[in-house]
This record gives sequence, C-alpha cells and structure tokens, in this order.
Amino acid sequence: GESVGLHLPTLSVQEGDNSIINCAYSNSASDYFIWYKQESGKGPQFIIDIRSNMDKRQGQRVTVLLNKTVKHLSLQIAATQPGDSAVYFCAENIDQAGTALIFGKGTTLSVSS
Amino acid sequence: GEEVAQTPKHLVRGEGQKAKLYCAPIKGHSYVFWYQQVLKNEFKFLISFQNENVFDETGMPKERFSAKCLPNSPCSLEIQATKLEDSAVYFCASSQYSGENTDTQYFGPGTRLTVL
Repeated sequence: GESVGLHLPTLSVQEGDNSIINCAYSNSASDYFIWYKQESGKGPQFIIDIRSNMDKRQGQRVTVLLNKTVKHLSLQIAATQPGDSAVYFCAENIDQAGTALIFGKGTTLSVSS
Repeated sequence: GEEVAQTPKHLVRGEGQKAKLYCAPIKGHSYVFWYQQVLKNEFKFLISFQNENVFDETGMPKERFSAKCLPNSPCSLEIQATKLEDSAVYFCASSQYSGENTDTQYFGPGTRLTVL
C-alpha cells in the first residue's frame, strides 16, 4: 500500500551543525504534511506542518521543505543541540477534518557535543 | 486539560486477558484518534471519533478491539482476549475542529501494553 517513508534510519551530527532529515511520500492525494519528534518513552511532539499550497515553511530553528514534483519532504534543524536527539517522523494525510495520519518509519537523530 | 492524558502508563496482561486503556483529549477538541506503535517504529491508525461518534474505524481489528468516546467520560480502547502480538504502545491523539481542513493532532504519552 502507499505510505510515507524515510531515506535514512539514523543520522549522527555534531552539536552546532545543521541537520537535514528526509522523507519520501508516495500518495499523490496527500496535501498535508507534518513532522513530529518523539523522545524515548514519550508521545510524538508536533514540530511543524506544511500544506501542499506551500513549498517552504519556517519555524524556530526548523524549516520544512516540500517538493511535490518528486514527492519529497525534508526537515532542516539549524544549530542542532543535544536536546534535539530523538526519533523524527514525517506524517501525511488528506487535508480534511478528522483524517488519520499515515506515518513514515522514523529517523533517529543523535547529537554529540 | 491542555494536554492529552492517557492511563495507565503501563499495563501487563496474560494472553487471553482483557485490557482497557483510557484517554482524555484536550478540552474543546472534537476529534480523538487511536494509534498503535510497535517496537518504537511505525504507527498504525486504529480508529477515530468525532465527539462520541465513530468517524473512521478502518484500522480496527474487528474481532477483539473496541473503542468508545462517551460524553463526560474518558475515551477508551478495549482489547478482549489479548494476544502476544498486541504488545505495543497505544497512543491517543486529539485535534480541534476548525472547519473543513485537518488540524494538528496532539498526542498523549501513550500506554505501554505488554502481553505475556
């Protein structure tokens, strides 16, 4: 079936570096995308979202890029900190109220100081 | 409340026993979702509610799983006759209704179910 997938299961960076986490999706009908951060023993925490009428959205230290042509989503974290260490999931759905999320497999980000 | 609350945090059951999990969505949120996460990996959607009505149950194993969201009570997810493969973390999420578009889903801390 169609699902959201991630390119790399793990990513290791040094503190202060910029991190880029990638995600590929296959459902052309998806038009809402979200990045979640999950720390050990906790539930997913919302980071940033983007709708398909945009190709870039910025938050505090984070930027999400959407390339609909190649069905690619990325999360950029600037000046990565040890507290950013977690598993990052991208998720997609149809932009209608109450629609369930389809999650990708997750990328584990490890930040060393 | 301002956060999704889930109880219990951990639940251990012998195979064949019943398990019941609870979720209190964020106050004012109209939608409640249940997801299952196995081995810290993928999330599988189970069921969603719009207030007390089932909205989407396409992910629910029909035979042993049931769920309810009754007025003035926490939502619940019940598994009859648990199996080893039901061992997972079950997350509840809620979102508000702000029109025809989807809204951010906020997740609770999860209930870890271990079936022995």
